[in-house]
Amino acid sequence: ETGVTQSPTHLIKTRGQQVTLRCSSQSGHNTVSWYQQALGQGPQFIFQYYREEENGRGNFPPRFSGLQFPNYSSELNVNALELDDSALYLCASSHLGGDSPLHFGNGTRLTVT
Amino acid sequence: ILNVEQSPQSLHVQEGDSTNFTCSFPSSNFYALHWYRWETAKSPEALFVMTLNGDEKKKGRISATLNTKEGYSYLYIKGSQPEDSATYLCAFVAGGSYIPTFGRGTSLIVHP
Repeated sequence: ETGVTQSPTHLIKTRGQQVTLRCSSQSGHNTVSWYQQALGQGPQFIFQYYREEENGRGNFPPRFSGLQFPNYSSELNVNALELDDSALYLCASSHLGGDSPLHFGNGTRLTVT
Repeated sequence: ILNVEQSPQSLHVQEGDSTNFTCSFPSSNFYALHWYRWETAKSPEALFVMTLNGDEKKKGRISATLNTKEGYSYLYIKGSQPEDSATYLCAFVAGGSYIPTFGRGTSLIVHP
């Protein structure tokens, strides 16, 4: 059973740039969720994808966008980066439904300067 | 905005102590409650998913209880070991959205 992998591990970008983060889901899972964890906060829900369609979105602006591919891997894109976007971005795969545990990757640490 | 609170924010205990912490969540529209353990330099790992009021779950020395009517869950660790040092996160799932909303976590440090 292959776990959830995220790339890259660390990333440094300049304000105003764009970034793409990648996630490979655990085999057998059809749902992927992205969370942002800023310093001192709990993970904040960005959005969830199920079978390539957005299935829910948190309180994040439209410059945060995502994709899910037929193999259930996923991308998180952030345009026009701001300093406050500096955070740990976590990807989690699961089966659809709130009673299915999330299986997390190790995260991507994004620093915006 | 769903309010999920965890207390205490951090906890230092000695090896062998038993400890517990709390997750508070809305008492209406409950669907599920998740607990995760997050060790440094690792990814969060699911401990329990609880769905029924009064439910109790156990995994080794760790157990959890659930009270959906009053909106809280307790996580207990019996005989803490240094390897239990981690941040423990809870996540509330409301009916309709089915999206886990996380608290800020409780950081546990177990001293040898």
